[in-house]
Amino acid sequence: SQTIHQWPATLVQPVGSPLSLECTVEGTSNPNLYWYRQAAGRGLQLLFYSVGIGQISSEVPQNLSASRPQDRQFILSSKKLLLSDSGFYLCAWSVLGNTEAFFGQGTRLTVV
Amino acid sequence: KQEVTQIPAALSVPEGENLVLNCSFTDSAIYNLQWFRQDPGKGLTSLLLIQSSQREQTSGRLNASLDKSSGRSTLYIAASQPGDSATYLCAVRLRKDGNNRLAFGKGNQVVVIP
Repeated sequence: SQTIHQWPATLVQPVGSPLSLECTVEGTSNPNLYWYRQAAGRGLQLLFYSVGIGQISSEVPQNLSASRPQDRQFILSSKKLLLSDSGFYLCAWSVLGNTEAFFGQGTRLTVV
Repeated sequence: KQEVTQIPAALSVPEGENLVLNCSFTDSAIYNLQWFRQDPGKGLTSLLLIQSSQREQTSGRLNASLDKSSGRSTLYIAASQPGDSATYLCAVRLRKDGNNRLAFGKGNQVVVIP
């Protein structure tokens, strides 16, 4: 069966520090991978998606970047965090076609 | 641009009552619609997936309907229990989008009172 792992679960980082959040998927090949951010009182905002290794599409201009070094690994990064980067970050996967999307357990990022 | 709206934003019901949660979307050209549950501080758990050709899906006490032409879906939870307290999110996948991206509503926050 397929599983998705996301870590860390919580993170407190000072402004200006770097960020690296990791997401891995097991039990499937060539998934579409997604990073979402959920801010209080707002819906889920799609940040990045990837349809294959090294292929990254950005949905909104921001202080973050994403990479996909392996088929089932998706990394969200920042060189210098801003206060506005605080939020709940969710990784998700799906495959092409009329299939379900599955989400990780999320990372609560607080930038102080 | 696809807009997804969920009404009501929050509701409280006594245990045993049926829950009715509404989701509307502006672009009816969808591949499918998915309902999720989110507990506080947790990720999203998939509840039901309705393909664009389907009218409803059922799983246990949950039933979701889809009226694509009017841009609406309803999630029914029968005989609610305190454990059903959570935020319920609906999301649609656009037929025009080849990358399987989802557009989400802001959720229905549900409290079931024992």
